[in-house]
Amino acid sequence: NAGVMQNPRHLVRRRGQEARLRCSPMKGHSHVYWYRQLPEEGLKFMVYLQKENIIDESGMPKERFSAEFPKEGPSILRIQQVVRGDSAAYFCASSPGGGNTEAFFGQGTRLTVV
Amino acid sequence: AQSVTQPDIHITVSEGASLELRCNYSYGATPYLFWYVQSPGQGLQLLLKYFSGDTLVQGIKGFEAEFKRSQSSFNLRKPSVHWSDAAEYFCAVGRPGGTYKYIFGTGTRLKVLA
Repeated sequence: NAGVMQNPRHLVRRRGQEARLRCSPMKGHSHVYWYRQLPEEGLKFMVYLQKENIIDESGMPKERFSAEFPKEGPSILRIQQVVRGDSAAYFCASSPGGGNTEAFFGQGTRLTVV
Repeated sequence: AQSVTQPDIHITVSEGASLELRCNYSYGATPYLFWYVQSPGQGLQLLLKYFSGDTLVQGIKGFEAEFKRSQSSFNLRKPSVHWSDAAEYFCAVGRPGGTYKYIFGTGTRLKVLA
């Protein structure tokens, strides 16, 4: 059973470009979470999705950021018109949802905006 | 406000010495508690978790943690550190009954001297 798969592992974008980060949850997991880790900081919650639904996006910036988790395919975190401050590691986690479970994290995508 | 505090940003220990990493939290109720380790350039690996029951929790790689409700603490310990333990350690809390919206501390970076 493969773990949470994120790609790409590293992404370089120029200011003003779009960044698309993909996350395939563990098999059987229908809950996905995105976190952002800025340099020298801990992870900060961004958004929580279930299949085709955004449950909580309270940690996501209101502009330029969006997330989806379609019925088929991976979850996508999209950042439009990237700025230098978007440079960070973006981690995806998944869980089967509910009860006494924990979230399993992917290895992250390190976004660098130049 | 809900928060997690890891008061030690950096800790250096000699190989073979004992280790204790501190974690204090502020939360409305007793949360789920986690310790994760992040090696350079890698994702997060779960070391151990506390949901309920025995307040001394055993984890992987010889780590253990003790939940102390009266002190709102969940300190991580290891009796004898190995050079491969050098990494960054994150304490996190989550909502009881689910995996939703973890709150992470800012991390403690562990350096191990040969």
